[in-house]
Amino acid sequence: DSGVTQTPKHLITATGQRVTLRCSPRSGDLSVYWYQQSLDQGLQFLIQYYNGEERAKGNILERFSAQQFPDLHSELNLSSLELGDSALYFCASSVGGGSVEQYFGPGTRLTVT
Amino acid sequence: GESVGLHLPTLSVQEGDNSIINCAYSNSASDYFIWYKQESGKGPQFIIDIRSNMDKRQGQRVTVLLNKTVKHLSLQIAATQPGDSAVYFCAEMILNSGYSTLTFGKGTMLLVSP
Repeated sequence: DSGVTQTPKHLITATGQRVTLRCSPRSGDLSVYWYQQSLDQGLQFLIQYYNGEERAKGNILERFSAQQFPDLHSELNLSSLELGDSALYFCASSVGGGSVEQYFGPGTRLTVT
Repeated sequence: GESVGLHLPTLSVQEGDNSIINCAYSNSASDYFIWYKQESGKGPQFIIDIRSNMDKRQGQRVTVLLNKTVKHLSLQIAATQPGDSAVYFCAEMILNSGYSTLTFGKGTMLLVSP
């Protein structure tokens, strides 16, 4: 158990809908990262937050957004969902903004029908 | 468990053998190279990292080798056990004082038979 929690574990929704994925980092970690894992694209970095501020952006679509709250939990919002958004979404956390070791949560499986 | 990918390169070994998983990377400017292990239905788990100015680093039962000349990274697992069966990813990290970004490779599935 990495200490990172993600909810929900599974999510099934329809195209065009909007969902919110939630992540709680390990105790003491200030950075949160979001990743998408799909069969065709593999594991891709989406975005990083450190202590509430956006620090780095990867291959995140404009339909996706994230934020980190004062209690350090983070939410990833996915809107106007398409079939291709079906994937595993992982959250990871680390102590600092520039840390080598990231601890991954168990993931949220999103299925768009 | 949930599948993390189809058509992955697969390495099949016998319990007790040594395993070597290889990875080619692309970005010479990467600061660190990291190996992750992902078991079915779980998130990636950090195994070991190596800084870009090093050639070799050893951990518990694992050794990572870095060849910058040919942009090649390998993970050696000694005395492989059935619990080592998983998908292994190499990742390149750009590290700054304020942020870090990881770029993952495609992964290799390791199957260990008793």
